[in-house]
Amino acid sequence: AQTVTQSQPEMSVQEAETVTLSCTYDTSESDYYLFWYKQPPSRQMILVIRQEAYKQQNATENRFSVNFQKAAKSFSLKISDSQLGDAAMYFCAYRSFYGGGSEKLVFGKGTKLTVNP
Amino acid sequence: NAGVTQTPKFQVLKTGQSMTLQCAQDMNHEYMSWYRQDPGMGLRLIHYSVGAGITDQGEVPNGYNVSRSTTEDFPLRLLSAAPSQTSVYFCASRSGSQNQPQHFGDGTRLSIL
Repeated sequence: AQTVTQSQPEMSVQEAETVTLSCTYDTSESDYYLFWYKQPPSRQMILVIRQEAYKQQNATENRFSVNFQKAAKSFSLKISDSQLGDAAMYFCAYRSFYGGGSEKLVFGKGTKLTVNP
Repeated sequence: NAGVTQTPKFQVLKTGQSMTLQCAQDMNHEYMSWYRQDPGMGLRLIHYSVGAGITDQGEVPNGYNVSRSTTEDFPLRLLSAAPSQTSVYFCASRSGSQNQPQHFGDGTRLSIL
């Protein structure tokens, strides 16, 4: 079974600076998807960014980018020019490519990000 | 464009009561799923459906029933609520295209006394 580990329960960053959230995962599969979701206090689950394992190029969405290291099974999220609205819980999630597992998202326990003005 | 709509947003039940959490999506998505989120944990899959009439169990299915009679709706039933089912419940949907992400509803906070 796949597992996802987020080793930083809490992180803080100054407004306008850069922060990196860590995520590692364990799988024996070669094809899969990885996601970062943001959960603000409103408790909505908002997709931040996604990565297909078969793509070597790291995904980027505006101020958000990932460092995907497939061999190391690492998937970190970098937030540049941090804004107050970035304060939230961030969850890393894994999804299989094939079969019934392709519907199941496996989540880490989350990292609480605080942005200081 | 409503996306994924969950009702109610909050509910308090007594042990042994039954309840149905509603989930509807208007994106014509084939895949729908239910997750629960407990304090200090990420979301865990309860049940999912890959289309009308087809459902399957996830990681934590005990105590919950689902059915999928239409593409739009995927209700979650608690037949006899227990305090261990106190949680925040999320419904999600996605299209059948393999690389598409799940879209989540706003969640239902359920407390069982």
